Amino acid sequence: DTAVSQTPKYLVTQMGNDKSIKCEQNLGHDTMYWYKQDSKKFLKIMFSYNNKELIINETVPNRFSPKSPDKAHLNLHINSLELGDSAVYFCASSAQGRPQHFGDGTRLSIL
Amino acid sequence: QKEVEQNSGPLSVPEGAIASLNCTYSDRGSQSFFWYRQYSGKSPELIMFIYSNGDKEDGRFTAQLNKASQYVSLLIRDSQPSDSATYLCAVSESGGTSYGKLTFGQGTILTVHP
Repeated sequence: DTAVSQTPKYLVTQMGNDKSIKCEQNLGHDTMYWYKQDSKKFLKIMFSYNNKELIINETVPNRFSPKSPDKAHLNLHINSLELGDSAVYFCASSAQGRPQHFGDGTRLSIL
Repeated sequence: QKEVEQNSGPLSVPEGAIASLNCTYSDRGSQSFFWYRQYSGKSPELIMFIYSNGDKEDGRFTAQLNKASQYVSLLIRDSQPSDSATYLCAVSESGGTSYGKLTFGQGTILTVHP
């Protein structure tokens, strides 16, 4: 059973399009996160939700909009995709007071 | 700007040797410290976490924390070729009930050669 699952695994799209990435965790965790890993492998947090409430919102263009319909799901919608958005996006989750566990990542390529 | 610094490597060690990976952090308020291993094309996988000064051992892995020096390290004993990966140091300012935001270093590439 996959603990933190993301879909799609790969996403290739044109500049200017709008796309969404979905994340689900079956660990019963109460906090979920989105991270971006760039071409230099630097991993940086974007957003975090705790029990559906946004608790971390880093300096991210407002083209990126997270949404948590319930504490097991966290989606990321990206409007007007740009070349610089090409990266691997990781979802992670954690329980109260416990380390974060990562999903397999979504590899986004903008043409 | 809170920073986490690692030597990007690559660090190359022979099989069976001890690999020593180092990390420094700038925020004195940091409470929790993590080491993740990331194989090429895969997701980060938690190896160790530590929040008290001193050493914490788990199998072949030992995490060492010195808050006064703002320094955390990971030792891998009896290194194996399967240990070849990028090792990410991560730091959180939150302690207590939630680890909160993780700030990552740029990662150290470790290569263990037979």
